[in-house]
Amino acid sequence: KNQVEQSPQSLIILEGKNCTLQCNYTVSPFSNLRWYKQDTGRGPVSLTIMTFSENTKSNGRYTATLDADTKQSSLHITASQLSDSASYICVVSAAAGNKLTFGGGTRVLVKP
Amino acid sequence: NAGVTQTPKFRVLKTGQSMTLLCAQDMNHEYMYWYRQDPGMGLRLIHYSVGEGTTAKGEVPDGYNVSRLKKQNFLLGLESAAPSQTSVYFCASEPGGSYTGELFFGEGSRLTVL
Repeated sequence: KNQVEQSPQSLIILEGKNCTLQCNYTVSPFSNLRWYKQDTGRGPVSLTIMTFSENTKSNGRYTATLDADTKQSSLHITASQLSDSASYICVVSAAAGNKLTFGGGTRVLVKP
Repeated sequence: NAGVTQTPKFRVLKTGQSMTLLCAQDMNHEYMYWYRQDPGMGLRLIHYSVGEGTTAKGEVPDGYNVSRLKKQNFLLGLESAAPSQTSVYFCASEPGGSYTGELFFGEGSRLTVL
């Protein structure tokens, strides 16, 4: 069964600090891995999309890494801001039928 | 650009009542999806459509029906609402075909069934 596990479930960080979120998956065959940001009460918005051949991709202060061999990804937030408070969702796409499997998300709270 | 628009944004139903959620997209996308999001769980696919006039079941289709009479609209219906259908519903769209990129989500519709 395809699964996507995210850790931690939640974390609190101080404004200006860095943090790293983890995503482990068992989706096969792999097509791509996506990170979404979901503000409270809003729909998810795409941050990055990585294919098998991409090890890292950045979007401003967000940097995602992918290790397709160990089936792990991480999302690093640099110099966090209050606006980074949100849930971050890891989504893995299977090559067969482009089926998406969503992780449960990591809720990040940035405190001043 | 409106993108993906969902109506209504909030609704309270009594058990057994029926209702329809409307999703409209103005990006000429072929594929459209309905998901539900429950606390502590990932988004789960209810139904999807790969083009006008087509629909297919997703991971959790029971208790829901859908229709895609026009390319830009995807309707999600609950014929007899149950408390287990209390959730936040998200519509999403993408170009389709060989495209394997970003999904575009609506803002969500929060449904409470009493």
